[in-house]
Amino acid sequence: EVQLVESGGGLVQSGGSLRLSCEVSGFTFENYWMTWVRQAPGKGLEWVANINEPGTEKYYADFLNGRFTISRDNAKTSLYLQMNSLRVEDTALYYCAKHRKDGYNRWESYFDWWGQGTLVTVSS
Amino acid sequence: EIVLTQSPATLSLSPGERATLSCRASQSVSYLAWYQVKPGQAPRLLIYDASIRATGIPARFSGSGSGTDFTLTISSLEPEDFAVYYCQQRSSWPPFTFGPGTEVDIK
Repeated sequence: EVQLVESGGGLVQSGGSLRLSCEVSGFTFENYWMTWVRQAPGKGLEWVANINEPGTEKYYADFLNGRFTISRDNAKTSLYLQMNSLRVEDTALYYCAKHRKDGYNRWESYFDWWGQGTLVTVSS
Repeated sequence: EIVLTQSPATLSLSPGERATLSCRASQSVSYLAWYQVKPGQAPRLLIYDASIRATGIPARFSGSGSGTDFTLTISSLEPEDFAVYYCQQRSSWPPFTFGPGTEVDIK
């Protein structure tokens, strides 16, 4: 059974840092692109960042302005999001998600498995 | 950046009724997905490539459309279908963008 379990969320003051983790099981983690998506309270889904299988390619949403870093440890089957210089507007539920592969084993940017999220609250 | 808009924002229906949700893109997209999100649960991929049901998704969910106009149809609403639905494009990235969502609630 595929499982993605996020952790590391919590309450932090504006300007602070947090490191989110996503531990996965049930699939060969090292063979899949992974993504972080967030959802602010009462708002919609917003893509944050993604990373390729070996961790050598990383892409970020423009609004991050270099404050967040995505990484992975394939030996630990874990995905991470280091969040620095946090702002009140970063308050959200943060989901990790697995990219789907097509019938030719090529990665696609649809997200076929998600965790339940970890809540980050940034206070002023 | 491709902007997705969804309508209506809220759809109030009864179990057994048909739900029709719309997603419109600011420019033509070739690749579009639909997700279902319920409070406290992991989001679920329903439809990808506009019309292909993901693994394990019931046949009452169907997707259609191309270019800039897409539709998710739930042929007969089950109690577990009351949720928020988002469309997402992957044609032009980064960023991948989602629509603002349509909430299907019980009338």
